[in-house]
Amino acid sequence: GQSLEQPSEVTAVEGAIVQINCTYQTSGFYGLSWYQQHDGGAPTFLSYNGLDGLEETGRFSSFLSRSDSYGYLLLQELQMKDSASYFCAVTRNQGGKLIFGQGTELSVKP
Amino acid sequence: GAGVSQTPSNKVTEKGKYVELRCDPISGHTALYWYRQSLGQGPEFLIYFQGTGAADDSGLPNDRFFAVRPEGSVSTLKIQRTERGDSAVYLCASSRGLAGPSGELFFGEGSRLTVL
Repeated sequence: GQSLEQPSEVTAVEGAIVQINCTYQTSGFYGLSWYQQHDGGAPTFLSYNGLDGLEETGRFSSFLSRSDSYGYLLLQELQMKDSASYFCAVTRNQGGKLIFGQGTELSVKP
Repeated sequence: GAGVSQTPSNKVTEKGKYVELRCDPISGHTALYWYRQSLGQGPEFLIYFQGTGAADDSGLPNDRFFAVRPEGSVSTLKIQRTERGDSAVYLCASSRGLAGPSGELFFGEGSRLTVL
């Protein structure tokens, strides 16, 4: 089977940096994705790591270590609008389906 | 339209009834996925199509659930003899090809199903 673990809640202040960790256990690991979901909205794609290392997209960066079965999403210069749920998701065996974690609810305080 | 469209946005039904949920993917996207999401949980995989055929239906919980994509575009998720435990938001997503190489799915806003 497969499993993903991420913290259920994280709180940070506006302007700060926050890191959301994700550990996974799965056979045939292919890549790790990150999605953002605001209350009542659709999940939206943020970032993808197929190889070890850091991927940077504006204020968001994502990191993957295959040897540690671990990744993280880094959000910099936090804004109130970043308050949302963040999901990591794994792809296996080059296949199409993504398996999502339970999500981390990020609250950004003024 | 520019994005993934799902109808209805809300559906309230009674236990035992039959329900159909429709998904219209982004034009040109060959892969289409169905997920369901309960409050406070991550999206749970149900089934995905590559073209007209179901490439992986391992997430369908039982034989009350069925999905079709007859022309390789619009898909319908069908739920027979609904139960209260089927209440959730049903999300549809599409991608240009298999999502594996890029990890990117484009989601619709979902259909919220409530079974009374």
